[in-house]
Amino acid sequence: DAGITQSPRHKVTETGTPVTLRCHQTENHRYMYWYRQDPGHGLRLIHYSYGVKDTDKGEVSDGYSVSRSKTEDFLLTLESATSSQTSVYFCAISEPQGSEQFFGPGTRLTVL
Amino acid sequence: KNEVEQSPQNLTAQEGEFITINCSYSVGISALHWLQQHPGGGIVSLFMLSSGKKKHGRLIATINIQEKHSSLHITASHPRDSAVYICAVRRTRDDKIIFGKGTRLHILP
Repeated sequence: DAGITQSPRHKVTETGTPVTLRCHQTENHRYMYWYRQDPGHGLRLIHYSYGVKDTDKGEVSDGYSVSRSKTEDFLLTLESATSSQTSVYFCAISEPQGSEQFFGPGTRLTVL
Repeated sequence: KNEVEQSPQNLTAQEGEFITINCSYSVGISALHWLQQHPGGGIVSLFMLSSGKKKHGRLIATINIQEKHSSLHITASHPRDSAVYICAVRRTRDDKIIFGKGTRLHILP
């Protein structure tokens, strides 16, 4: 299995609080992705990174920001969490872009 | 309209049956992926294909580029095959991966 971990695995928070999710990889892959998964929707891309300090928006980026200061870590931040951001968040990696993606175990976030 | 459509949305079958899950897409693609997601959430890549057919154990994936259609087949299905199967395509115009909503498969013993 590709070495991808996500932390935390579960989080419950209140509306308006900041939340940061971490994705950590040991594969030295250049591309990293954050997705959210909701009932009735496929996986939807939030943001992705194509290298250290190089990031771009996905289709559902509003309300989220990301940072990548090291190859192995990709952080997803909800500056002020809302109930609509209750979801399961998956991190994925690939090398190169568009090739097979390897997924982390997911983070279940509940915003009350 | 979704760019990637899967059918059926849900499928229940008896152990041993031959299973087919379909994926149709409406955009130009350079590759198509099949993924498996078990209860509990972990997502695993099964196949990546751009033409023809691939086989791995009891799983077979086919793609017809002209018809913009792919199928995932499971032979001699088993309860441990119960999972959500997700089709995803790599869109040519921007190299982004677009996911279908998944097919939930339940194999009864």
